Amino acid sequence: AQSVTQLGSHVSVSEGALVLLRCNYSSSVPPYLFWYVQYPNQGLQLLLKYTSAATLVKGINGFEAEFKKSETSFHLTKPSAHMSDAAEYFCAVRESGGYNKLIFGAGTRLAVHP
Amino acid sequence: KAGVTQTPRYLIKTRGQQVTLSCSPISGHRSVSWYQQTPGQGLQFLFEYFSETQRNKGNFPGRFSGRQFSNSRSEMNVSTLELGDSALYLCASSWTQGPNTGELFFGEGSRLTVL
Repeated sequence: AQSVTQLGSHVSVSEGALVLLRCNYSSSVPPYLFWYVQYPNQGLQLLLKYTSAATLVKGINGFEAEFKKSETSFHLTKPSAHMSDAAEYFCAVRESGGYNKLIFGAGTRLAVHP
Repeated sequence: KAGVTQTPRYLIKTRGQQVTLSCSPISGHRSVSWYQQTPGQGLQFLFEYFSETQRNKGNFPGRFSGRQFSNSRSEMNVSTLELGDSALYLCASSWTQGPNTGELFFGEGSRLTVL
């Protein structure tokens, strides 16, 4: 069965600092991976997705993620944090044979302080 | 282009009642999925509909049901509500062909409180 593990339920960074949110997946087949962001009282917004085309994926708002098969990781990074990046971030894997079913990690809440 | 629309945004029910939530997908999207989000269990898949047929279902009791109409709009119903059903219910729609297949677009959710 496929699964996603996000290391660190809370991450705090200073404005302008590097953002690194960790995601490891488990999958017996080449995975389709996603990062979503959720702002308070809102739904989820897609940041970026990996679909085997390129290992370094660029998304919206300056975020990017690198797929590393050897490490089964798909960590999310942003070179310089902005106050508006404060939100909850979810890593997800599309279930093999599950049509559009996504399996989500537990989420990482990012706090950005001045 | 209008996004995924969910109604109502907030509702309060008491134990034993039932509730129906509605979701209008993005125009052209034929797949609609539902997720339950709670602090304890996180985001859990409920079911997915495509062309009025349920094609995938999560591990929820039969009290949770859904349907999809010919215009792709979807509803989900929870009967005999329990306190543990209090959650944010998220609807997502998606293309089912082309390069963006499987990319889910979420609505803002319906927050259900069961008293």
